[in-house]
Amino acid sequence: QVQLVQSGAEVKKPGASVKVSCKASGYTFTSYDINWVRQARGQGLEWMGWMNPSSGNTGYAQRFQGRVAMTTNTSISTAFLELSSLTSEDTAVYYCARLPLYSSNHYWGQGTQVTVSS
Amino acid sequence: QSLLTQTPSVSGTPGQRVTISCSGGSSNIGTNPVIWYQQLPGAAPTLLIYGNNQRPSGVPDRFSGSKSGTSASLAISGLQSEDEAFYYCAAWGDSLTGWVFGGGTKVTVL
Repeated sequence: QVQLVQSGAEVKKPGASVKVSCKASGYTFTSYDINWVRQARGQGLEWMGWMNPSSGNTGYAQRFQGRVAMTTNTSISTAFLELSSLTSEDTAVYYCARLPLYSSNHYWGQGTQVTVSS
Repeated sequence: QSLLTQTPSVSGTPGQRVTISCSGGSSNIGTNPVIWYQQLPGAAPTLLIYGNNQRPSGVPDRFSGSKSGTSASLAISGLQSEDEAFYYCAAWGDSLTGWVFGGGTKVTVL
């Protein structure tokens, strides 16, 4: 069965960077884009960007341009999200997700809590 | 600020029908299919409706989706206590905006 398993919770200081991983299994990793979505406590879902594991192409939400990087390691079927220059407003649960536009094959990771605190 | 507008909350008694609306624009809902997610506390969202009105296998037929122009709606008929959750609409925007989500609707079963 398809699974996206994310790395554990992180606590970072303001100004630092965080790198979250998302290991895929149960399907051909290079066949689907990986999206990253975050959710602050009590808030809605916010799309951060996508990456195509096959081509390496990426697309980032404008508000994260310049401080976000999405990468993959196809040899271990793992996607990575790196966010830099963290502030308290980046405290949220970060999800990786497979979100095909025209099918029901949507899968989400379990989420990774990132807390930014001095 | 969410690019799709949802009613913040709706409530109903068991067995009732409730409807959640989602309003967008020509570049998202007006162009692409609408997705609906259910999110329980502390859990990742799960797919409820895709392609405007298609239910994945395993989703009860009490849930139905529709779309007209730049708006969409999710109806829950025969409301049950386990339907108490947050519901989000979503649609692909364009290469600049990517996936856009509604702000979420809290459904309360009285």
